[in-house]
Amino acid sequence: NAGVTQTPKFQVLKTGQSMTLQCAQDMNHNSMYWYRQDPGMGLRLIYYSASEGTTDKGEVPNGYNVSRLNKREFSLRLESAAPSQTSVYFCASSVAGRSEQFFGPGTRLTVL
Amino acid sequence: DAKTTQPNSMESNEEEPVHLPCNHSTISGTDYIHWYRQLPSQGPEYVIHGLTSNVNNRMASLAIAEDRKSSTLILHRATLRDAAVYYCIPSDWRAGGTSYGKLTFGQGTILTVHP
Repeated sequence: NAGVTQTPKFQVLKTGQSMTLQCAQDMNHNSMYWYRQDPGMGLRLIYYSASEGTTDKGEVPNGYNVSRLNKREFSLRLESAAPSQTSVYFCASSVAGRSEQFFGPGTRLTVL
Repeated sequence: DAKTTQPNSMESNEEEPVHLPCNHSTISGTDYIHWYRQLPSQGPEYVIHGLTSNVNNRMASLAIAEDRKSSTLILHRATLRDAAVYYCIPSDWRAGGTSYGKLTFGQGTILTVHP
């Protein structure tokens, strides 16, 4: 039981490049989330998916797109990376209707 | 979402109790009070949550003031592994609630535990 896994662990991009962050969970959770955490700050919600087939914007969705590929997988795409998107990205999942979220180890992204 | 005020940092000695306070004076009647913690270089970890009554689990206790405008997370015997940033998060988590599916993390309290 791996919980929530994220790939890659680290990534360096140049401004304007695109990439997709992958997230998968093996806990049969309905809901999945993407957060970003800037240095010295708390986490901010980018997008979430309450259940398979649905996605909703969070607090800071601009510059990102998401895909809930199936119940297990929720990906985050940066179409044209900007230095302001340098951050640590966390994926999380939860059982629908329960407030305990389980977080992955994070992806550290640097945009030059 | 309710605004929260937490101390920037606190210190404790190993095996002593730790009381981490949180003020949330604008909390609504349907907001649950959640606590998460984040160990260095890791994702956040759920600790506990409650609505009105005090709550206990294997990790900690949550004491909620009668007027719900403040709460205290209690670690009964701090260990070195408890050194982390602790976040207090009021949220109307329930399906149909105003913050369904969303947690708003502030800056939290950095807890340092001394051997």
